Amino acid sequence: DTGVSQDPRHKITKRGQNVTFRCDPISEHNRLYWYRQTLGQGPEFLTYFQNEAQLEKSRLLSDRFSAERPKGSFSTLEIQRTEQGDSAMYLCASRAPAGAFYNEQFFGPGTRLTVL
Amino acid sequence: GQQLNQSPQSMFIQEGEDVSMNCTSSSIFNTWLWYKQEPGEGPVLLIALYKAGELTSNGRLTAQFGITRKDSFLNISASIPSDVGIYFCAGCDYNNNDMRFGAGTRLTVKP
Repeated sequence: DTGVSQDPRHKITKRGQNVTFRCDPISEHNRLYWYRQTLGQGPEFLTYFQNEAQLEKSRLLSDRFSAERPKGSFSTLEIQRTEQGDSAMYLCASRAPAGAFYNEQFFGPGTRLTVL
Repeated sequence: GQQLNQSPQSMFIQEGEDVSMNCTSSSIFNTWLWYKQEPGEGPVLLIALYKAGELTSNGRLTAQFGITRKDSFLNISASIPSDVGIYFCAGCDYNNNDMRFGAGTRLTVKP
């Protein structure tokens, strides 16, 4: 399977714990995006990387949220001191380098987070 | 929050019927995309539109990029049960710094 993969698919944690999610983009894609999706809503943009550089992070929901892409391949999203309001689906998407279809983002299956 | 207004919120149709849904925005986008999402999965790209006025088809799906660049519609012809899901519109600016999504149209197809 050469699509975007995310791990884990489901995570249940207790309030106050830290969680980390991983995303592996399509191999030749240099841009990687993180989104959050709550029930009944469309995905909400959080942050994105071009190669290893994080070019936009002002939309991260709070300073408890951080993302990394250290080698320009896979990325991690960490949420520290989780709160019940963090319960949501966290989606990763990747995009090919600029070209004919430069705005087409392809999504992974998501990580469903439940904070108890 | 959402900047795109997507309608209708939900549709219940009979198999074989045609479906139309649309999306409007207060902002101009240079790309409109339509995705379908099924329960527990990520959105799957259906159609991408890059030019104002562009009409693009993908099988039984047809989408158009509005002339004003502030709206788009998606039509599904001769619906089948596997069309069930939530359809999202999304708009991108030129730099693709972020993509804005509508709240989705939930489609139910009765056999």
